[in-house]
Amino acid sequence: AQKVTQAQTEISVVEKEDVTLDCVYETRDTTYYLFWYKQPPSGELVFLIRRNSFDEQNEISGRYSWNFQKSTSSFNFTITASQVVDSAVYFCALVSGAGSYQLTFGKGTKLSVIP
Amino acid sequence: DAGVIQSPRHEVTEMGQEVTLRCKPISGHNSLFWYRQTMMRGLELLIYFNNNVPIDDSGMPEDRFSAKMPNASFSTLKIQPSEPRDSAVYFCASSGDRAMNTEAFFGQGTRLTVV
Repeated sequence: AQKVTQAQTEISVVEKEDVTLDCVYETRDTTYYLFWYKQPPSGELVFLIRRNSFDEQNEISGRYSWNFQKSTSSFNFTITASQVVDSAVYFCALVSGAGSYQLTFGKGTKLSVIP
Repeated sequence: DAGVIQSPRHEVTEMGQEVTLRCKPISGHNSLFWYRQTMMRGLELLIYFNNNVPIDDSGMPEDRFSAKMPNASFSTLKIQPSEPRDSAVYFCASSGDRAMNTEAFFGQGTRLTVV
């Protein structure tokens, strides 16, 4: 069975602080894909990143960075110099097994960036 | 591309009425998904189509729910009769790859309220 755990339900930071959102996943498959989605207050789900299980390289995109560690089954997301526009619910998700299609989502972390 | 388009954005209906949600996937995508988001259960997959064919409908909660994809550019999710516990945000998503090793793009969702 697959499972995604986002232990942080809500986080509040002051603008310009760095913040890390944790994601821990469980799967028995060796082939899997990890995702992060952002859900702003307007409600849509916005794709942020996809990472496959064979690529442990960390990735940076502007103020966003992701740390993938298979040894701890974690795929953490860091926002550097947070901004008010970063306020949203962030979901980590997993697709597990070659040929699989179903996204298993975590419960989400609500991030509030205070001006 | 306009992205995944869902209609209506909001729907309020009385218990017992029929509700139809609509989705236009991204052109060229051959996989389409319907997800439901509730506070209690988070994001859960209802049904998955590939090349207009329903592949997995195990997430459809009960016979009151039905989904169709008559062509590559249109899908519907119907609830008949609707009940208050069906109140949720319903998302449609499309992907260009059956195996989900590409990202799924989500529509803006339909917020359904059954009173």
